[in-house]
Amino acid sequence: GEDVEQSLFLSVREGDSSVINCTYTDSSSTYLYWYKQEPGAGLQLLTYIFSNMDMKQDQRLTVLLNKKDKHLSLRIADTQTGDSAIYFCAESKGGATNKLIFGTGTLLAVQP
Amino acid sequence: DVKVTQSSRYLVKRTGEKVFLECVQDMDHENMFWYRQDPGLGLRLIYFSYDVKMKEKGDIPEGYSVSREKKERFSLILESASTNQTSMYLCASSSRTGWGVETQYFGPGTRLLVL
Repeated sequence: GEDVEQSLFLSVREGDSSVINCTYTDSSSTYLYWYKQEPGAGLQLLTYIFSNMDMKQDQRLTVLLNKKDKHLSLRIADTQTGDSAIYFCAESKGGATNKLIFGTGTLLAVQP
Repeated sequence: DVKVTQSSRYLVKRTGEKVFLECVQDMDHENMFWYRQDPGLGLRLIYFSYDVKMKEKGDIPEGYSVSREKKERFSLILESASTNQTSMYLCASSSRTGWGVETQYFGPGTRLLVL
């Protein structure tokens, strides 16, 4: 089955690290993604990881993938108030009609 | 820059009305998608289209239909709006690579209230 789960809410202080977690059930997923949704806006792709990788770093963002446990995480270093948003993980299997299966979203609140 | 635009940011409609939500993309993308977003449920796919005049049902198509007469435009239709269709509606588009990273580009969303 296809089901992607996330915790609903995370609160951190400015300057701390944030870790947003995601679990998925479809082991055939090819790519896993993190999207960010700022208040009143659509989603924007933040980063992605190919399923044969276990880590990807992009400036303040680190993505960790544990394929055995079907667990994906997004770490944001030195979290800023501008990082406050809803973060969605998503998985896809590729192909011409490359549908994404989105998680429930995690609301990250950064306290000054 | 890819641009996906949606015809309205906010809409208020009455139960039983026919509602049209329009989405236009300017990147010549083959794939277009309609999602609804509800708190605690994330994004759920309503319909998608992989070419002009082609459509496929997503996870929650009941009560909705779609139209794709031109490549750049994908319309979502609520034939007879009901209060349980009050939601945020998001349109997205992507190119048909057949491989590689799937980047979906999203519009800003339409917040629909059905009274």
